[in-house]
Amino acid sequence: AQSVAQPEDQVNVAEGNPLTVKCTYSVSGNPYLFWYVQYPNRGLQFLLKYITGDNLVKGSYGFEAEFNKSQTSFHLKKPSALVSDSALYFCAVRDPTASKLTFGTGTRLQVTL
Amino acid sequence: NAGVTQTPKFRILKIGQSMTLQCAQDMNHNYMYWYRQDPGMGLKLIYYSVGAGITDKGEVPNGYNVSRSTTEDFPLRLELAAPSQTSVYFCASSLQGSSKNIQYFGAGTRLSVL
Repeated sequence: AQSVAQPEDQVNVAEGNPLTVKCTYSVSGNPYLFWYVQYPNRGLQFLLKYITGDNLVKGSYGFEAEFNKSQTSFHLKKPSALVSDSALYFCAVRDPTASKLTFGTGTRLQVTL
Repeated sequence: NAGVTQTPKFRILKIGQSMTLQCAQDMNHNYMYWYRQDPGMGLKLIYYSVGAGITDKGEVPNGYNVSRSTTEDFPLRLELAAPSQTSVYFCASSLQGSSKNIQYFGAGTRLSVL
């Protein structure tokens, strides 16, 4: 079975500071990992994905994520947060042998001035 | 570019009523999905389809039905609405499958069952 955990319900950060949103996963094989963002009253939007290759993945809006196989983590990062980054962030994982994504419970990012 | 379109955006149902949530995509994606989103619970997969005429259950299919007569449309049917079905429903689509391909989401349908 595949699962993903987002241990923080909310992350608060000041604008201009670096941000990290944590994600850990469990799958039986090599994982396919995704980050999505949800703005209020909107559907989820794709940010970035890791399938294979370089452990550091760059995505939309200046976000990046680092795949760490030994720690089974895929934390989302951004060097300098913006107020407009405030949203709900979802990590998702898929075992290559499965046919569906499993989403985490989401982390609300609040960026303040 | 319309992408994934869901209708209606909001709906209030009485217990026992039925309704169909509509979902259409214009990207010629073969895979389509229905999720529900409850506060603090993330997204739960209700049903999915890998192509016209093929559907399969997700994690929480009870109380719902789907059909996929065309590549573009994937309606979700609630036959006897219950308060437990109060949620936000999202439809998504992807090309070939979610393993390497991105899922595109609609804006959602907010359903209340009273």
